[in-house]
Amino acid sequence: GNSVTQMEGPVTLSEEAFLTINCTYTATGYPSLFWYVQYPGEGLQLLLKATKADDKGSNKGFEATYRKETTSFHLEKGSVQVSDSAVYFCALLTSGTYKYIFGTGTRLKVLA
Amino acid sequence: DGGITQSPKYLFRKEGQNVTLSCEQNLNHDAMYWYRQDPGQGLRLIYYSQIVNDFQKGDIAEGYSVSREKKESFPLTVTSAQKNPTAFYLCASNPGPRNEKLFFGSGTQLSVL
Repeated sequence: GNSVTQMEGPVTLSEEAFLTINCTYTATGYPSLFWYVQYPGEGLQLLLKATKADDKGSNKGFEATYRKETTSFHLEKGSVQVSDSAVYFCALLTSGTYKYIFGTGTRLKVLA
Repeated sequence: DGGITQSPKYLFRKEGQNVTLSCEQNLNHDAMYWYRQDPGQGLRLIYYSQIVNDFQKGDIAEGYSVSREKKESFPLTVTSAQKNPTAFYLCASNPGPRNEKLFFGSGTQLSVL
């Protein structure tokens, strides 16, 4: 079946450090891929998405590229801020379905 | 402002009690979802509904029930059959099959007394 695997956290970085959170997926067909972010005590918000191979999603300095050959959608940011501290979820949606598959989430802590 | 409202923010359940979590949206979205979030396990789908008066079981539906009598409302009942109900519950909605973004409420934390 379809699945999403994320690197385990927590990830702790100093402010202005480079961030990578790994995400790989297993899916039939050509899924859409997403990164959602959850701040403490809140629901999830869409951070970025990509709907086909080689697409790059970007938002607020975060980027992720849909790599079909490696079935990956790694999240990157060149310089993190304390305000980026949150839990990040990778997710996929198979075309023609309503069922999203979420990874287990990766907690990011950015220290000043 | 348009959005999804979940209530209450915190809820306590006694043994053998059914409790209902509210989810209301004024986004005119067709699809609505309930997820359960446990530490280290990510989000697991409980139920989803694509249209009014129709809903489908997700991956962990046992011990839960839902209704979708109105487009804007999708309440979740946690029954006494759910033996481990303590979790953070998230409601979400989506405009339809050609718009893939999920919109989430701010969640309800359910705890057992």
